Amino acid sequence: TAGITQAPTSQILAAGRSMTLRCTQDMRHNAMYWYRQDLGLGLRLIHYSNTAGTTGKGEVPDGYSVSRANTDDFPLTLASAVPSQTSVYFCASSDSGSTSGGLSTDTQYFGPGTRLTVL
Amino acid sequence: QKEVEQDPGPLSVPEGAIVSLNCTYSNSAFQYFMWYRQYSRKGPELLMYTYSSGNKEDGRFTAQVDKSSKYISLFIRDSQPSDSATYLCAMSKGGYQKVTFGTGTKLQVIP
Repeated sequence: TAGITQAPTSQILAAGRSMTLRCTQDMRHNAMYWYRQDLGLGLRLIHYSNTAGTTGKGEVPDGYSVSRANTDDFPLTLASAVPSQTSVYFCASSDSGSTSGGLSTDTQYFGPGTRLTVL
Repeated sequence: QKEVEQDPGPLSVPEGAIVSLNCTYSNSAFQYFMWYRQYSRKGPELLMYTYSSGNKEDGRFTAQVDKSSKYISLFIRDSQPSDSATYLCAMSKGGYQKVTFGTGTKLQVIP
């Protein structure tokens, strides 16, 4: 079982350009998440989705957008990249979520990450 | 003040040593406590998961939660070079609340 795959593995992006980070899971998990990981700041939640068709904002959502058209895919888009978005991005999923809002607390499974450098 | 505090290390120990990794937290509403292990250039993977206070053991790993002191620990017995990684604590309030992660402690086990 592949679990969670992310693409690309790494990317160098010019400031002002747009980019979509891809995330796909094959575990049929309801909930999916996007985090960024920065030295000294740890993992910070960008956006989440409890189920297909719904999304919510995390603690650092500005400059990012997400969509959840189906259970398996949860792409993260940077509309106009800035250098402060240089980070390692992790997608995660978990086995339950609430259809009435809120975030799942069940075990989260992480992808391998995307290293993004914005110049 | 951060909700979850974790010493970043690095922590270097000889092979076979007992390792103690710790986190403190400020929010008494946290009920679920987790430890993740993250190898270099990889995603975090769940190591231990506990609810409320007490101990949980899994092989060489023991997780302890002391809610009265707002303090959690991960002990690794007979540490191995393959245990070299960054260890992240994480916790949540339950009831579909978000998971808050510590910044991680980097551990190096010297052969």
